[in-house]
Amino acid sequence: NAGVTQTPKFRILKIGQSMTLQCTQDMNHNYMYWYRQDPGMGLKLIYYSVGAGITDKGEVPNGYNVSRSTTEDFPLRLELAAPSQTSVYFCASSEGLAGGLSYEQYFGPGTRLTVT
Amino acid sequence: QKEVEQDPGPLSVPEGAIVSLNCTYSNSAFQYFMWYRQYSRKGPELLMYTYSSGNKEDGRFTAQVDKSSKYISLFIRDSQPSDSATYLCAMRAFMNQGGKLIFGQGTELSVKP
Repeated sequence: NAGVTQTPKFRILKIGQSMTLQCTQDMNHNYMYWYRQDPGMGLKLIYYSVGAGITDKGEVPNGYNVSRSTTEDFPLRLELAAPSQTSVYFCASSEGLAGGLSYEQYFGPGTRLTVT
Repeated sequence: QKEVEQDPGPLSVPEGAIVSLNCTYSNSAFQYFMWYRQYSRKGPELLMYTYSSGNKEDGRFTAQVDKSSKYISLFIRDSQPSDSATYLCAMRAFMNQGGKLIFGQGTELSVKP
């Protein structure tokens, strides 16, 4: 199993450009998440999904959009990129069955995005 | 007040030292407590997992939860240079749509040979 994969690894965007961060998991997990990590700030949840066709906002959703058309894929779309979106973005997934460690989140390697 | 507070460090210790990492939280509904380890330029990985109060030991690592004080700790015995990483506490309530976790800010640990 490759686990959670993310592309690209690095990207530089100009202000106002758009892009899609790709995330794929091969563990047949129901739940998927997008986080951003800024220095000294921990992980902030952007969006999450509990299954194909179902998404919901997290703590910091403004400026982002998501879709979940399949169990495996959960792309994150940035429209009109701004310098405040410079960050490291992590995708994660979890099994999402009832209780306990089924909610353990497995993380991808991250995408480093710079907006200038 | 943030839901979860964690001293960001950085923390530097000599090899072989005992390390104590801590988080406090404000939400009494939190029941599941986790510690993630994140090496530089990598994604976080689950290190320890505890349900409700008490201690859990795994090799050189011990996780403690004190729900009465809303305080959790991770102890690392005989620390090694390979333990150098950022440690993130995370927690969630029992009833929680989507299994969402609330993370602390992370503590950067450096173990010097």
